[in-house]
Formats: sequence, C-alpha cells, structure tokens
Amino acid sequence: AQSVTQPDIHITVSEGASLELRCNYSYGATPYLFWYVQSPGQGLQLLLKYFSGDTLVQGIKGFEAEFKRSQSSFNLRKPSVHWSDAAEYFCAVGARGGSYIPTFGRGTSLIVHP
Amino acid sequence: DAGVIQSPRHEVTEMGQEVTLRCKPISGHDYLFWYRQTMMRGLELLIYFNNNVPIDDSGMPEDRFSAKMPNASFSTLKIQPSEPRDSAVYFCASSPRGFSGANVLTFGAGSRLTVL
Repeated sequence: AQSVTQPDIHITVSEGASLELRCNYSYGATPYLFWYVQSPGQGLQLLLKYFSGDTLVQGIKGFEAEFKRSQSSFNLRKPSVHWSDAAEYFCAVGARGGSYIPTFGRGTSLIVHP
Repeated sequence: DAGVIQSPRHEVTEMGQEVTLRCKPISGHDYLFWYRQTMMRGLELLIYFNNNVPIDDSGMPEDRFSAKMPNASFSTLKIQPSEPRDSAVYFCASSPRGFSGANVLTFGAGSRLTVL
C-alpha cells in the first residue's frame, strides 16, 4: 500500500519569501501525486497533479512541484508567498494498478508573516 | 456546476442524538467519498462509492456510522447514536475516473459537527 509523509507540521515564512513544502511517498512504482490546499473553513482544493511526463508541474496560484523519483519526493514550491497563501497544504499519492484512491498526508500548516 | 454541495454546514447536537449529513456530488462524477478531519487523526477516509455502490467501508469507525447513496446525485452519512468523540469536520468529495485511472477529488466545504 502507498503512504505519504509530510515532515513539517508548521512552516512560517515572511510575505514575499520563497516557499518549499516537503512531501515524501512510499510506493513500489511511479505513483500519481497531488497537492491540495485547504483555506480556513473550506474544503480541499486541487493545486496540481503529476501523472507522467515532465517532472516539473505547474499548478494554480503560482505553485509548482517537482517529482524526484530518486528521492521519492514531490515537493511544492512558490517563489514569492502572498499573505493569502496561508492555509493547510496536503500531499496525496495514488497507486497505479490499485484502487487509485489517493492517500493523504497529515498536512502542513503555512503561516505567513507580513 | 455548483461543485460538491454539503449540508448542514454546522451541526450542534447532544450525545445520543441521530445526525444525518448530506451530500450532492458533481453531476457525472461516478465516485463519491466521505472523509472525517480531526486535529488528532488528520483526514481519514470513511467510505467511498462507485456508481452508487459502496466499495470500501473499512474506514467507518463503528456500527454507529452508516452511509448510503440511493442515487447518483445524493448521499448521506448517518451517526446514530452520536458521541462527543464524533465531533469533527466531515467532508464529501466526488471524482470522475480519468483516462489515466487516477481519482482527482473535488471536495465540498464540509459539515462541522459538534456533539455535546
């Protein structure tokens, strides 16, 4: 079965600074990979996804993520954070050839200082 | 499309009462999921349906929880009797099965349940 780890429970950055949120997965083959964002009081919204092809994927709101097979990672990045990016971020992994249902990490809470 | 619609958004009830949460998935999505989110346990998959049929309910915590999907546009999650430890945010999500096989979920805004 697949699993996903988000090592950082909280990340604090200053507005305008760059951001990287870590995600590591465990799966025997190339998985499907996702990042979702949850704003306060809202449901989760898909930021971006990786299925195949180019390992650097672009998402909404200026986010990108890079799939690194050798490191079993799918880290989320943004070059300049805005105060409105403060939210909870979830990495998820889905198995090819299995149930395809994504498994979610515990989430990373992003705090943005003015 | 209006997205995934959940009701009620907030529910406060007393221990022992029955609670029913409702979900309307996106039209054309053939998968429906129920999740529970708490600070302690994070996001937990309770049950999911494919074409209105329950596929995996191994995440349902106990017999007090039940879920139904009588048609493609409606699902319910029922807790009877409710207990304080059921207090959580319950999310419904729906998904099409994409050509690649992956499930890309669209979530509702959630139902926040407080059991006193």
